[in-house]
Order: sequence, then C-alpha cells, then structure tokens
Amino acid sequence: QQQVKQSPQSLIVQKGGISIINCAYENTAFDYFPWYQQFPGKGPALLIAIRPDVSEKKEGRFTISFNKSAKQFSLHIMDSQPGDSATYFCAASDRGFKTIFGAGTRLFVKA
Amino acid sequence: DAGVTQSPTHLIKTRGQHVTLRCSPISGHKSVSWYQQVLGQGPQFIFQYYEKEERGRGNFPDRFSARQFPNYSSELNVNALLLGDSALYLCASSRGGGGDTEAFFGQGTRLTVV
Repeated sequence: QQQVKQSPQSLIVQKGGISIINCAYENTAFDYFPWYQQFPGKGPALLIAIRPDVSEKKEGRFTISFNKSAKQFSLHIMDSQPGDSATYFCAASDRGFKTIFGAGTRLFVKA
Repeated sequence: DAGVTQSPTHLIKTRGQHVTLRCSPISGHKSVSWYQQVLGQGPQFIFQYYEKEERGRGNFPDRFSARQFPNYSSELNVNALLLGDSALYLCASSRGGGGDTEAFFGQGTRLTVV
C-alpha cells in the first residue's frame, strides 16, 4: 500500500515532442505528489508538485495531471529538449514524515 | 545561500566496518531526511528528523541510526557494513516537518563497501 508504481522505465523522445511519464499509488492518505529530476552524479531536484484538490498544474513546459479517483498522476514535458535528458521520479507523501519514490524513468531526448 | 551539503562525497569501506555520513541543511531549515539510492532505483526513505527528534523511520535494520544536532545538521551512522549497503546516500532538508514541504536534496555520499 506504500508503493508508488512508475512507468515507463525508459523513454526516448524526439526533440520537440511530448514526454509522458505515469505513476499510480494505492495509499489514499497520500496528499502531496512531487516530481523530481535527477542528473547523473547529482541529487534529485524538485520540478513541480501537486495536491489532490487540483486536477492539473502547469509550470512552463512541465504539467502534472492528477486523477484522484483512479489514484494516478502523470508528468507531461512539452517541447522536450536534449537538456531534459535525465531520470525522473514521481513521489508521494502524506502529512507524516515519509516520502515514497517511484522507481524512476530514464528519459532520452534525441536531437 | 548554500544548498544542502553532504560529506564526504565518496567513501570506500570494508565489510563489517562502521561509517558516519554528515549533512548540513539549508540555513533556516529544521528538518533533515535521509535516503538510500541503489543504482537504477528510486531513493528509499531511511529517517526523518525535525527539531532534533526522529519523526519517521523507513524499513531499514537497526544497524542504521541517525541524529540531529542543535544546529540542525545531521549524521547517519551505519554499523556492521554489508556489501548491499553500497549505494548513494542522500540527505534532504526542508523548512517544516510535514511530508508536503518542499525538500531540497544534497549531491549525496557515494558509499562503496568491499
């Protein structure tokens, strides 16, 4: 019940295309859903986050879509660029002190 | 402002030894969390400390322990090291203690157990 399932494991997108990464959770106590970007040799960096009272949040080229009834959320990267090539993690946390991460998606954007 | 700093950046230890990893949070942040990231996987939650008290613990054996100091810096200790403890250990700091507070990660300590 504590898991966050993330797919796909890896993704190859053409420059200018849309990258879509999906996550699903089971614990209905989760109420904060951040996405992190991680480059090799670096720690994860927060990209964008959403709470379940909102169905969509957009920041620049990054959009989170949230489906509370399906317990699913996704990250869309519009106009994907080679510099977006990184590993992306979805995560979920409740009002406690634990954040659960997905297994990660390795994104490669072809120039 | 300096970000989250972790030391050392790399470390090689022998099986059975003990290791101490250190983390300095962003100034003004009172919460520190520790994560273990095995190559190719997502970070796994180990501990969170807020205001010098343990507020959360993940599914790790008692060989793992941590503490937070009055200046909010933190140490992660691992005893009786196993080969499987080889991983990137990440520290994250946040202003508040709740799981919905934005967390900032350090670059991690790469621990190799031989």
